[in-house]
Amino acid sequence: SQQGEEDPQALSIQEGENATMNCSYKTSINNLQWYRQNSGRGLVHLILIRSNEREKHSGRLRVTLDTSKKSSSLLITASRAADTASYFCATDGYGGSQGNLIFGKGTKLSVKP
Amino acid sequence: NAGVTQTPKFQVLKTGQSMTLQCAQDMNHNSMYWYRQDPGMGLRLIYYSASEGTTDKGEVPNGYNVSRLNKREFSLRLESAAPSQTSVYFCASSDFEETQYFGPGTRLLVL
Repeated sequence: SQQGEEDPQALSIQEGENATMNCSYKTSINNLQWYRQNSGRGLVHLILIRSNEREKHSGRLRVTLDTSKKSSSLLITASRAADTASYFCATDGYGGSQGNLIFGKGTKLSVKP
Repeated sequence: NAGVTQTPKFQVLKTGQSMTLQCAQDMNHNSMYWYRQDPGMGLRLIYYSASEGTTDKGEVPNGYNVSRLNKREFSLRLESAAPSQTSVYFCASSDFEETQYFGPGTRLLVL
């Protein structure tokens, strides 16, 4: 069973525009992470936000977390063609073991030059 | 520093054949994981190992076995492959920081 659900499933934008992806989850969490996957490659960690944090920045990335709504958003500002990838949110806690993650189905982002 | 490595990159099996997917990490991480990824799906946890000498089932363990050979290596075995096991398999490792580091994946086709 998947904890996180990303929205939209696919997003197509022009280079320079901002991209916003959303993630909703079902149960309480300790933290939420975002990962990027380029086509045919493994996942790469982008950012982790803890349940007591509301917003976090890393370069062109901004992540927000609303635990009352059980939702998170990932904003990529001034997007580039190299940002084309699938983006997954992941929440912790499968089986209650620290470190286990439950991934959503992902948002496929296409950035056109 | 290679991170997480996986072998093989690609494999084609016939139904009923067996194979072992190998994974190794050089980051001295305690925890290691095996996931499968199917089209349009996120990753689903097959098995994990929280530390050397321990393994536990994840969400979709049926049809698989694992071995945590030592701290570096975590292998996944398919004893009798089925077409439903056609997928891309990812190994990952992590330490107490919770961030997971992924290998490049193994693409498996079962005919």
